[in-house]
Amino acid sequence: DTGVSQNPRHKITKRGQNVTFRCDPISEHNRLYWYRQTLGQGPEFLTYFQNEAQLEKSRLLSDRFSAERPKGSFSTLEIQRTEQGDSAMYLCASSLGQGAVGYTFGSGTRLTVV
Amino acid sequence: DQQVKQNSPSLSVQEGRISILNCDYTNSMFDYFLWYKKYPAEGPTFLISISSIKDKNEDGRFTVFLNKSAKHLSLHIVPSQPGDSAVYFCAASAWDNYGQNFVFGPGTRLSVLP
Repeated sequence: DTGVSQNPRHKITKRGQNVTFRCDPISEHNRLYWYRQTLGQGPEFLTYFQNEAQLEKSRLLSDRFSAERPKGSFSTLEIQRTEQGDSAMYLCASSLGQGAVGYTFGSGTRLTVV
Repeated sequence: DQQVKQNSPSLSVQEGRISILNCDYTNSMFDYFLWYKKYPAEGPTFLISISSIKDKNEDGRFTVFLNKSAKHLSLHIVPSQPGDSAVYFCAASAWDNYGQNFVFGPGTRLSVLP
């Protein structure tokens, strides 16, 4: 297991297009998190899954954002009708349930909306 | 309103000396704290944690101190090495019914000069 894997590493898209990112967590981790990081800021929580159930969503996650984890393994984050303000690094992290010491983060997907 | 603050955007330290990175928080419900290190083009990497029942945790060259009354924690790196040059994020969580979602500070960029 090579850790948390995110694809693609970089994505450039035109405003108004839809984009989808994928995250493959560490295989035995049942919790998966999506964070967003903009320049000069720390990661901001977007949403979280325990197995296939999406248990919490931040108010940052507008209606244009949707995340899925259909089989409790990999997850996808889709942004519809992208806006320039969506440009950020999107980080995925996973952990092994409650009491886990922190998360393991992936390297992120950097989205640029032009 | 930023719940986790790292008021120093950057810090430069000479190799071999002590690096002290500070973090302040406002939410008295936070009871678990972590430090992450981030290199360019990589996701954040877990470094060290501390729970609110302790006031100090040590791991090799890294020590985290927690002052609950002041809502302040600090990370000490002794001795500092050039490989420690990275952005350091402080993160805090309050246990809730769903899980453990961390709130991150904006980060402090540490430069260790040879």
